[in-house]
Amino acid sequence: VHLLESGGGLVQPGGSLRLSCAASGFSLSNYAMNWVRQAPGKGLEWVSTMRSSGDDTRYTDSVKGRFTISRDNSKNTLYLQMNSLRAEDTAVYYCAKVAISSSWDIFFDGWGQGTLVTVSS
Amino acid sequence: ETVLTQSPATLSLSPGERATLSCRASQSVDSYLAWYQQKPGQAPRLLIYDASNRATGIPARFSGSGSGTDFTLTISSLEPEDFAFYYCQQRKNWPPITFGQGTRLEIK
Repeated sequence: VHLLESGGGLVQPGGSLRLSCAASGFSLSNYAMNWVRQAPGKGLEWVSTMRSSGDDTRYTDSVKGRFTISRDNSKNTLYLQMNSLRAEDTAVYYCAKVAISSSWDIFFDGWGQGTLVTVSS
Repeated sequence: ETVLTQSPATLSLSPGERATLSCRASQSVDSYLAWYQQKPGQAPRLLIYDASNRATGIPARFSGSGSGTDFTLTISSLEPEDFAFYYCQQRKNWPPITFGQGTRLEIK
């Protein structure tokens, strides 16, 4: 199981970024997939989850209406479209896989190395 | 939102000693609690799920216990590689999935 995030960088407040998470060694469509972030020097914060079926997505309140989780099964890649970015969105963003296929049991047994998003003018 | 409070914030111990880390939930999470270890510059690693089940490849010196609102992660005899940050996470009452603020386990 390998997860590789990309797409992070420096963006101005109000700007947009799309993060990608390329998966190998398993099929994304068999697992609920997630984004978890960690602000510099801070703890872990759950951001979003997509069910394995793809028909159910959840978000933490602070990103609702601004972030969208999606995936491309043909590329085995998970995405996080981030719009209207704020300084408080600055963090390392990890994609994370749940442990049990086709389940809604959200605990994470596979993590990428993370990609840093910095929102600053 | 279920708030998870970890204690202590920092735990200073020596290799070979026993470590006891606590996680308290603001409401019952049954046994739907996981523990992660994170070292600086690395992604978290799953240690324990459903309060007491060791994840694949996790050494037997790591154990978890508790249910409802009070949980404990115990490391029976600390190895040098165990000094890191530890986070608990609940999945009973979501969204949101919530994590504790973390315990730093440092070498004394």
